[in-house]
Amino acid sequence: AQSVTQLGSHVSVSEGALVLLRCNYSSSVPPYLFWYVQYPNQGLQLLLKYTSAATLVKGINGFEAEFKKSETSFHLTKPSAHMSDAAEYFCAVSDVNFNKFYFGSGTKLNVKP
Amino acid sequence: DTAVSQTPKYLVTQMGNDKSIKCEQNLGHDTMYWYKQDSKKFLKIMFSYNNKELIINETVPNRFSPKSPDKAHLNLHINSLELGDSAVYFCASSHGGALAETQYFGPGTRLLVL
Repeated sequence: AQSVTQLGSHVSVSEGALVLLRCNYSSSVPPYLFWYVQYPNQGLQLLLKYTSAATLVKGINGFEAEFKKSETSFHLTKPSAHMSDAAEYFCAVSDVNFNKFYFGSGTKLNVKP
Repeated sequence: DTAVSQTPKYLVTQMGNDKSIKCEQNLGHDTMYWYKQDSKKFLKIMFSYNNKELIINETVPNRFSPKSPDKAHLNLHINSLELGDSAVYFCASSHGGALAETQYFGPGTRLLVL
């Protein structure tokens, strides 16, 4: 069975600082992993996804994530935060064997000027 | 053109009523989904349809019934609405039924049950 945990429901960084949003998953088989972003009062938008190709995945808006099997992690990073990055970020995992899809509980990113 | 659209955007109704939320996608996708996002932003998949066939049906009260008249539409009908049904409901679509595909989300329908 799959599950996904996001550590930290709120993360606050200064503009220009490193963004690190944590995501850990539990899985008995290699999963597919996703990061989605939700801006206020909007639907979700895909940032990036891992589907068993390169372990370092680059996404939109300068975000990237690294799949680390040994740590069962898929943390999202961005070298320099921008005010427009303030949003809710969701990690998600899919298990195609069991036809299951789970979102994490979300991390709200606040960017301070 | 909006890729995934939902109507209505807001829905305020009384307990016990029956209501429907409509979803349409113009992306030519084969698979559509319904999600519920509660007040704590927790997102849970409810249903998934691939080419009008139900492929995911999570533990959801049978008061919720999805209907797919064609592969571009997936409507959600809710009978006997309860206070706990208040949430934001998102429709999404993807190309193909594999869960590795990117999902495209609608703007959400904010349901408030009084």
